Amino acid sequence: KAGVTQTPRYLIKTRGQQVTLSCSPISGHRSVSWYQQTPGQGLQFLFEYFSETQRNKGNFPGRFSGRQFSNSRSEMNVSTLELGDSALYLCASSLLGGQGNYGYTFGSGTRLTVV
Amino acid sequence: GDSVTQMEGPVTLSEEAFLTINCTYTATGYPSLFWYVQYPGEGLQLLLKATKADDKGSNKGFEATYRKETTSFHLEKGSVQVSDSAVYFCALSVDFGNEKLTFGTGTRLTIIP
Repeated sequence: KAGVTQTPRYLIKTRGQQVTLSCSPISGHRSVSWYQQTPGQGLQFLFEYFSETQRNKGNFPGRFSGRQFSNSRSEMNVSTLELGDSALYLCASSLLGGQGNYGYTFGSGTRLTVV
Repeated sequence: GDSVTQMEGPVTLSEEAFLTINCTYTATGYPSLFWYVQYPGEGLQLLLKATKADDKGSNKGFEATYRKETTSFHLEKGSVQVSDSAVYFCALSVDFGNEKLTFGTGTRLTIIP
């Protein structure tokens, strides 16, 4: 079966611009989570969506937002980009959420570079 | 809050050596524990998991046992291969409506022939 698909794979943006990243979860999965990975901070949780509702949110400024559509596809948006937003953004899908038995499947990520 | 403390890297071993990567955790409630692996240029892959105390997760020759008394989930492999070179992340997920993964800092493993 198809895995988690993230688009685009690579992105270069200028400081102050905004960006939208896309994630298509595994068919049937209803939970989509987003993580930011940087060399300095490691892997940090951004937010989780389940059935179009944000269920959990990490400690990121309001410039980071997301949404989930009725087909479970998710997008995250970062407005007013800063150099520190350069990172690998990972999406993970799960059948119902990380309730142990189900686990998460990650996509390959979108590498965002802000210049 | 919840946290994962992972063995500092990088770790370099010769092929066929024994591997241990230490992981301890602090969590409210009863977490599920995971090991993820990241190969160069790729996302994370679930390596193994354990959902309750004394459970042993295993996959591809890797093993880890959920030790509640020592709050640990150490990763082991009896004989490593060059293809095991990657970054390994220990993580936890706590139930009760808090479905996020909390990760350790990662351990870079390099296996030399």
